[in-house]
Amino acid sequence: DAGITQSPRHKVTETGTPVTLRCHQTENHRYMYWYRQDPGHGLRLIHYSYGVKDTDKGEVSDGYSVSRSKTEDFLLTLESATSSQTSVYFCAISEALNTGELFFGEGSRLTVL
Amino acid sequence: AQSVAQPEDQVNVAEGNPLTVKCTYSVSGNPYLFWYVQYPNRGLQFLLKYITGDNLVKGSYGFEAEFNKSQTSFHLKKPSALVSDSALYFCAVRDDSGTYKYIFGTGTRLKVLA
Repeated sequence: DAGITQSPRHKVTETGTPVTLRCHQTENHRYMYWYRQDPGHGLRLIHYSYGVKDTDKGEVSDGYSVSRSKTEDFLLTLESATSSQTSVYFCAISEALNTGELFFGEGSRLTVL
Repeated sequence: AQSVAQPEDQVNVAEGNPLTVKCTYSVSGNPYLFWYVQYPNRGLQFLLKYITGDNLVKGSYGFEAEFNKSQTSFHLKKPSALVSDSALYFCAVRDDSGTYKYIFGTGTRLKVLA
């Protein structure tokens, strides 16, 4: 299994509070991704990174920001959590853009009350 | 823009019968196509991919997928289903235009009945 660790694995928070999810990899892969999984929507891309300090938006980026200050860590921040951000969040990594598949973490379940 | 469609929310099949999970895609360039499986409360696991070459791709756990360019499809197949194949299956696509985005379908729940 690819070395991907997501933390926390479970979190309950209240509307309006900031939340940061962490993705840590030990594979030294260049590309990192944050997805959210919701029933009926499958996986939707929030943000992704193609190198240290290089990030871009996905299809559902509103209300989220990311940072990548070193290769191994990719942080997803909800500046002010809303109930619509209750979801399961997955981090994924990839080595080679042209041929590489994604490897996924185990997910972080976030509940915003 | 890239997109993926999985037209079936759920597929039921009897154990021992062949199974097919459908996927169609839309990309601006040449497609890179992937299938993943998700078991309850777990992350997604890679099954197989099509980058180039033979249209029939073989993957993990006896699964295979057929790439059809004219129909823009990439259906997942298995000759003989097992109860343990019951899970959520996702198709994903990325194009070769230099973007970094992998786009996923909405998923198909496969239920194999004993």
